[in-house]
Amino acid sequence: RKEVEQDPGPFNVPEGATVAFNCTYSNSASQSFFWYRQDCRKEPKLLMSVYSSGNEDGRFTAQLNRASQYISLLIRDSKLSDSATYLCVVNMGSGTSYGKLTFGQGTILTVHP
Amino acid sequence: NAGVMQNPRHLVRRRGQEARLRCSPMKGHSHVYWYRQLPEEGLKFMVYLQKENIIDESGMPKERFSAEFPKEGPSILRIQQVVRGDSAAYFCASSSRTHPTGTRNEQFFGPGTRLTVL
Repeated sequence: RKEVEQDPGPFNVPEGATVAFNCTYSNSASQSFFWYRQDCRKEPKLLMSVYSSGNEDGRFTAQLNRASQYISLLIRDSKLSDSATYLCVVNMGSGTSYGKLTFGQGTILTVHP
Repeated sequence: NAGVMQNPRHLVRRRGQEARLRCSPMKGHSHVYWYRQLPEEGLKFMVYLQKENIIDESGMPKERFSAEFPKEGPSILRIQQVVRGDSAAYFCASSSRTHPTGTRNEQFFGPGTRLTVL
């Protein structure tokens, strides 16, 4: 089983649509969670951290379910500029390995006119 | 530019040569991480360093790869005797703190170095 697992997609949606991505992680002791986006051949950019109570940043809403080891990202009112690969990222470490981020394979989103 | 800096952006080496990749963290950040992204694959952790110390190198190949973060200057990822399988994008990230208490260890990435081994 992969440490962080995502549906690779691709998701093709029209502008204005709402789209949801899911992610599961294997280590129940994982401590922090993030969504990054990566545009083609560029560096990952932090989209948002994911908090236990859920959090929202504009059109983006992230949820965490520790009991199910499940993370989600909801994008409302999709824009063309949202087209990218969305990476589910988990910090599973403790002690000296706390610095290590574990990445999912990514979910590809294409928003079309 | 206060972001993470990496150079060179593109590096071409022939098999058997050495590759040196450099990373300067964001201003105020003292923690550096190296990740590798092979073609069509996800990012994989390689090594985590603080100034003059390697904290976690659990993702580093046992041979040919080394990393340092000296007191002065950038962090260096060094690959000796490169092989074609080393061709990848190498990303550096930095953060301000890493202790679990009171921080989420948000890491910010540089633009990467794309290594091509001929």
